[in-house]
Amino acid sequence: TQLLEQSPQFLSIQEGENLTVYCNSSSVFSSLQWYRQEPGEGPVLLVTVVTGGEVKKLKRLTFQFGDARKDSSLHITAAQPGDTGLYLCAGKVDSSYKLIFGSGTRLLVRP
Amino acid sequence: AAGVIQSPRHLIKEKRETATLKCYPIPRHDTVYWYQQGPGQDPQFLISFYEKMQSDKGSIPDRFSAQQFSDYHSELNMSSLELGDSALYFCASSFQGAGKLTFGSGTRLTVV
Repeated sequence: TQLLEQSPQFLSIQEGENLTVYCNSSSVFSSLQWYRQEPGEGPVLLVTVVTGGEVKKLKRLTFQFGDARKDSSLHITAAQPGDTGLYLCAGKVDSSYKLIFGSGTRLLVRP
Repeated sequence: AAGVIQSPRHLIKEKRETATLKCYPIPRHDTVYWYQQGPGQDPQFLISFYEKMQSDKGSIPDRFSAQQFSDYHSELNMSSLELGDSALYFCASSFQGAGKLTFGSGTRLTVV
């Protein structure tokens, strides 16, 4: 059973601060995705990382895939209230169609 | 751009009733996934279909069944509903089971 654990579970920070969210597993994933979900809506894909050690940047968001493809991190620089939401990592294993979601990190950015 | 369409958006059912949720994938997407998300929980994978055949099975109860039709839309049938089935049910679609999943806005099922 693949299990993706995210930390922290909850994060409340002031606008302008930096933060990092971690996604860890004992399993190897062929790819890992990060989603953001607003209340009552479906998750929206932010990025997909495929190669071990890969780093992708999306404006103020930086995503990294671990060398062994078992973990990932999301770093947000100068957080803004609009970044508030539930951040989910999700991993895909080879030969499987299903995407396994992490436990989620609820981020609140206070103005 | 067309998105994944789910219907209904909201559904209220009594215990032991049945419910049918529908999902219309993005045009040309051939893979459909169903997820269940309880309050404050992460989405839990239920089942997926690729080219109208079940491709993966997750934590879907025996009381639930699903299928994908010739036009690639999918239906999740839920019987003998229990209070614990109250949740957001998301459908997602992709092309050939690869890469990006696009999620619908979900169906909020409340069992009373």
